[in-house]
Amino acid sequence: GAGVSQSPSNKVTEKGKDVELRCDPISGHTALYWYRQSLGQGLEFLIYFQGNSAPDKSGLPSDRFSAERTGGSVSTLTIQRTQQEDSAVYLCASSLEQGAEAFFGQGTRLTVV
Amino acid sequence: AQSVTQLGSHVSVSEGALVLLRCNYSSSVPPYLFWYVQYPNQGLQLLLKYTSAATLVKGINGFEAEFKKSETSFHLTKPSAHMSDAAEYFCAVSLMNTGFQKLVFGTGTRLLVSP
Repeated sequence: GAGVSQSPSNKVTEKGKDVELRCDPISGHTALYWYRQSLGQGLEFLIYFQGNSAPDKSGLPSDRFSAERTGGSVSTLTIQRTQQEDSAVYLCASSLEQGAEAFFGQGTRLTVV
Repeated sequence: AQSVTQLGSHVSVSEGALVLLRCNYSSSVPPYLFWYVQYPNQGLQLLLKYTSAATLVKGINGFEAEFKKSETSFHLTKPSAHMSDAAEYFCAVSLMNTGFQKLVFGTGTRLLVSP
């Protein structure tokens, strides 16, 4: 596609429910990032995929968070048993190779009520 | 590991004034450096990047940044601010070598432009 696509753009969920957020990176991009941006805050790194290497999960805030990237393309971020503090905008980005500039999607705004 | 420090969470300027947003990096090897802008309710957009070519890098919307190795800095400037420049600006660093390296972002600086 022309850019990084994220879905849904908005998600409202009840506390305790599981949610899945999807990211379609730019075709051919080997690196994929997930970040979280809470209201008025900076970018919080969550996870980084690069090619076939094991992902860098060092930013995941708890074991309720997980992510996978199938076939080196589409990625899904899963949050289990959502809590109110999970409310944020979740941003996905991809880059052609490691170290290159990242292109961002528009984000998914998650609201846990 | 690399890191980025952005001095000042908020910067206020008048329309027409010089814009200066500060970014200092820490890296054990030569870095790639980036500035991104985020307008309200939008994703991040690349403004400019430094990848070991010219130390003065020109980007979109009249912004430029200068890589100064001796000062480990990559400050963003624009000679004359426009109201439309009001946004959040993020500095980021990556490394110029092989290996499993990711982009690391600063905490951001919100630019406020007054008439």
